[in-house]
Amino acid sequence: KNQVEQSPQSLIILEGKNCTLQCNYTVSPFSNLRWYKQDTGRGPVSLTIMTFSENTKSNGRYTATLDADTKQSSLHITASQLSDSASYICVVSDRGSTLGRLYFGRGTQLTVWP
Amino acid sequence: EADIYQTPRYLVIGTGKKITLECSQTMGHDKMYWYQQDPGMELHLIHYSYGVNSTEKGDLSSESTVSRIRTEHFPLTLESARPSHTSQYLCASSSGVQGTSGGSTDTQYFGPGTRLTVL
Repeated sequence: KNQVEQSPQSLIILEGKNCTLQCNYTVSPFSNLRWYKQDTGRGPVSLTIMTFSENTKSNGRYTATLDADTKQSSLHITASQLSDSASYICVVSDRGSTLGRLYFGRGTQLTVWP
Repeated sequence: EADIYQTPRYLVIGTGKKITLECSQTMGHDKMYWYQQDPGMELHLIHYSYGVNSTEKGDLSSESTVSRIRTEHFPLTLESARPSHTSQYLCASSSGVQGTSGGSTDTQYFGPGTRLTVL
């Protein structure tokens, strides 16, 4: 069964600290993996996308890694800011589907305190 | 900021009412999607469209219906709302560019969502 599991479910950190969010997936055949940021009451916004040949991708203070062998990904946030408070969703796409079937994780709810 | 809009943002309605959730995008995207999301849960695809006059049901069974008469517009309708329909509904669109390795690498752009509450 194709699944995407994220951990931790929620995380609280102090402003300025770093944190790492985890994503494990069983989607096969794998096409690509995305990290989305979803602010409360808003739609998700794409942060990064990685195909199986990429093992790291950065977007400002966000750095995503991918290990296609172990089917794991992480999202590292550097020097956190209050505006980083949001849900971070890992999304995996399978290969060979014209729709680009997406499998969503439940997200990690990050809270950054001043 | 993606140019995809949803109205209303919030809707509280009584059981049995007919409702239509609006979704419009100005990016000229062929593919559009409707997702349902409950608090703390993953997004579930309920409808999608490849283009005008194309609509398909998603993975999650839904009593809602959709139409795609114009490229930019993808409304979702519930003929008779019930409390079980209470949820957040997210609309998305994408250009549909295919990756060289198969599958789709195009990014889905999401609207702000409609929070529906059925009493």
